[in-house]
Amino acid sequence: DVKVTQSSRYLVKRTGEKVFLECVQDMDHENMFWYRQDPGLGLRLIYFSYDVKMKEKGDIPEGYSVSREKKERFSLILESASTNQTSMYLCASSQQGARETQYFGPGTRLLVL
Amino acid sequence: RKEVEQDPGPFNVPEGATVAFNCTYSNSASQSFFWYRQDCRKEPKLLMSVYSSGNEDGRFTAQLNRASQYISLLIRDSKLSDSATYLCVVTSYQLIWGAGTKLIIKP
Repeated sequence: DVKVTQSSRYLVKRTGEKVFLECVQDMDHENMFWYRQDPGLGLRLIYFSYDVKMKEKGDIPEGYSVSREKKERFSLILESASTNQTSMYLCASSQQGARETQYFGPGTRLLVL
Repeated sequence: RKEVEQDPGPFNVPEGATVAFNCTYSNSASQSFFWYRQDCRKEPKLLMSVYSSGNEDGRFTAQLNRASQYISLLIRDSKLSDSATYLCVVTSYQLIWGAGTKLIIKP
């Protein structure tokens, strides 16, 4: 059974803080994704990675960076958190060649004050 | 116009009824189509793929209409446990997610 875990379910941070969101998958998947989900907007892709140390910008990368030093771990970094980054952050993974079949973590609900 | 559009609902449906909702897409070159289900405060999970010939999985039927550029999901004999938000995903060069249709099954 595929398992994707995220480091926190809920986070409260202050404007300007550096925020790290961690995601780990245990199925040896090549692809990993970071999304944010906001009411009425659906899932929006922030960054994805198809291999270790590889990353590609998604639709809304501004204000975010990522790191993938190991295959199973994909980190999302908010360099200087802002209130408009308050959202639900979802990590997902998929096998190479099957990007549409994504397995999601439980999500991190981030509140930036 | 959004690339993928869904009626946000909610669709309030009595238990046992049949319900259907659509997802329209704007890119005629879209290649693959999927339905995901997201329970309240949970992560999305793949429900089913949508094939050109349509496909059925138990009480769920998914269909694709390329001419009119939409996919549909039909749920028969709805159960209380079907209450969720249903997200469509359309792929061409990239995956595009719909914002979801909320379904509430009432006893």
